[in-house]
Amino acid sequence: AQSVTQLDSQVPVFEEAPVELRCNYSSSVSVYLFWYVQYPNQGLQLLLKYLSGSTLVKGINGFEAEFNKSQTSFHLRKPSVHISDTAEYFCAVRMDSSYKLIFGSGTRLLVRP
Amino acid sequence: EPEVTQTPSHQVTQMGQEVILRCVPISNHLYFYWYRQILGQKVEFLVSFYNNEISEKSEIFDDQFSVERPDGSNFTLKIRSTKLEDSAMYFCASIESGRDFYNEQFFGPGTRLTVL
Repeated sequence: AQSVTQLDSQVPVFEEAPVELRCNYSSSVSVYLFWYVQYPNQGLQLLLKYLSGSTLVKGINGFEAEFNKSQTSFHLRKPSVHISDTAEYFCAVRMDSSYKLIFGSGTRLLVRP
Repeated sequence: EPEVTQTPSHQVTQMGQEVILRCVPISNHLYFYWYRQILGQKVEFLVSFYNNEISEKSEIFDDQFSVERPDGSNFTLKIRSTKLEDSAMYFCASIESGRDFYNEQFFGPGTRLTVL
């Protein structure tokens, strides 16, 4: 069965520091990979997605992620975070044969001044 | 900017009662979804809906659940007899076309359901 693992439930970081949020998936078929962000009292917003082609994907708000097929990972990075990046981040996969998203458990990014 | 809306934002109900969660997807979207997130757990897929019928559903979506598009704008999730374990945040989502797997799913802000 397909699954998504986000090992870090919470990542505290100081403002302007770099951050990496980890995501690993398991699937025996081709997948599409996504990162969503959820700000307090709001819905899930798409940050970026990997469909095919270049393994380095750039998204909104200065985030990027790298698809690593051999390690089945899709880690999210930002070189310098802001207070406003404090939110919950969800990694998700979508299989080629299905419309549904399979989510990880989420990582709460807490940016401190 | 168009957005998915959900009402109510918070619903409190007694165990055994029926609840209806409402969603208004983006107007030109054709595929609709419900997901839920139990506190502290993953966001889980419940059901997808297209052309007035269910296109895919999870094992969670049993006979207690139903979905409907009663008019051209609303998309509802009904839970016939709520259980304590139905307490969760319920998210509605929509996409313009399911044929293009590249399309982004747009999510609403969620309805928090509390079953007492």
